Amino acid sequence: DAMVIQNPRYQVTQFGKPVTLSCSQTLNHNVMYWYQQKSSQAPKLLFHYYDKDFNNEADTPDNFQSRRPNTSFCFLDIRSPGLGDAAMYLCATSRDPSPNTEAFFGQGTRLTVV
Amino acid sequence: AQSVSQHNHHVILSEAASLELGCNYSYGGTVNLFWYVQYPGQHLQLLLKYFSGDPLVKGIKGFEAEFIKSKFSFNLRKPSVQWSDTAEYFCAVNAPGGRRALTFGSGTRLQVQP
Repeated sequence: DAMVIQNPRYQVTQFGKPVTLSCSQTLNHNVMYWYQQKSSQAPKLLFHYYDKDFNNEADTPDNFQSRRPNTSFCFLDIRSPGLGDAAMYLCATSRDPSPNTEAFFGQGTRLTVV
Repeated sequence: AQSVSQHNHHVILSEAASLELGCNYSYGGTVNLFWYVQYPGQHLQLLLKYFSGDPLVKGIKGFEAEFIKSKFSFNLRKPSVQWSDTAEYFCAVNAPGGRRALTFGSGTRLQVQP
């Protein structure tokens, strides 16, 4: 009954080699989010889509890009991963961008950079 | 900008002990407050939320939280914890007029010993 599905659960990539993480949802929610979570730290918002409207956080590095080809799918592209990009990446959705709307999370993709 | 502080990073309790996890937020206006829980190997899921009204909110699994506006706090409580409550707990805020996404605290890892 998974509603927000992230693939893969674990990803190992080489330093500098582009990598793509994927997220799909069965909730038909308008908003999708990508968070980065490093060990013992708070999940940090990278960007979010409200429908096709892309919203980038000011401090999200240019190395991170995102695509949302349709309502159900959203991708996180890391163009040249560095060692500092090793983290858990969380995808989330919400029905709308209202601040009192619950967000639903996937299980995350743990990225290792070697 | 909104921010969230969780001062307890790791809490160890015995079963049946009472729990209180601290959460303080920084935002001057109206806020929406959340507690999310992440059980080992699982995704973040909503425990409870506060938008308005009664400052004492009840969530799933016997958890409750109290919003104290004067203290900018939203502490999580449970009168008697169980081994199955072992998880990581995240406080989060989403403020109207903000960036339309959750801002998380760094989390508290709760370990309940049988």
